[in-house]
Amino acid sequence: DGGITQSPKYLFRKEGQNVTLSCEQNLNHDAMYWYRQDPGQGLRLIYYSQIVNDFQKGDIAEGYSVSREKKESFPLTVTSAQKNPTAFYLCASSPLGSMNTEAFFGQGTRLTVV
Amino acid sequence: AQSVTQLDSQVPVFEEAPVELRCNYSSSVSVYLFWYVQYPNQGLQLLLKYLSGSTLVKGINGFEAEFNKSQTSFHLRKPSVHISDTAEYFCAVSERHYGQNFVFGPGTRLSVLP
Repeated sequence: DGGITQSPKYLFRKEGQNVTLSCEQNLNHDAMYWYRQDPGQGLRLIYYSQIVNDFQKGDIAEGYSVSREKKESFPLTVTSAQKNPTAFYLCASSPLGSMNTEAFFGQGTRLTVV
Repeated sequence: AQSVTQLDSQVPVFEEAPVELRCNYSSSVSVYLFWYVQYPNQGLQLLLKYLSGSTLVKGINGFEAEFNKSQTSFHLRKPSVHISDTAEYFCAVSERHYGQNFVFGPGTRLSVLP
């Protein structure tokens, strides 16, 4: 089955630690995205990538880093510089082209700082 | 840059009653429009999308939406809701050119009451 897989579903992190969230897609999509979701604030874009080895900052990139070494994978690292990392993180992908169709989402990772 | 407004943060409605969830957008260029649904602790699932053509778009689970260019609106409707429709609903927009990102509204929580 084609889709987007995020792992783990739940993640706990101690303050001061870096943690990496995994996102893999087998849809052959060029574009991939990371969003952060907080209650009542909708989805806010952290980073996006349209091609391998290239990515762009979104609206709230501070304290986060990404890599895009393979088309299928777009891991997100939440660094210790992120002051309030507890949130629900969603990864998405979409095809690119003249007709920009919808974004497909993974099931999300809930990160909690303890 | 584009933006999305969802005027109602919460909408309670009785089972089998009709419902309308409002969405307005702002953009300086032509856009594609989307409605997504999110169940608790899950990713987003596409309900319907407007790319071009007929302004009345039908989606899954009996939902439909109408694109109104003059009012820059894309309201979601369902003539008779079920308990299972209880979820968070997000309106999203993307601009009509290669590689544009998706911008999401803050969401509307639909609660269907027995």
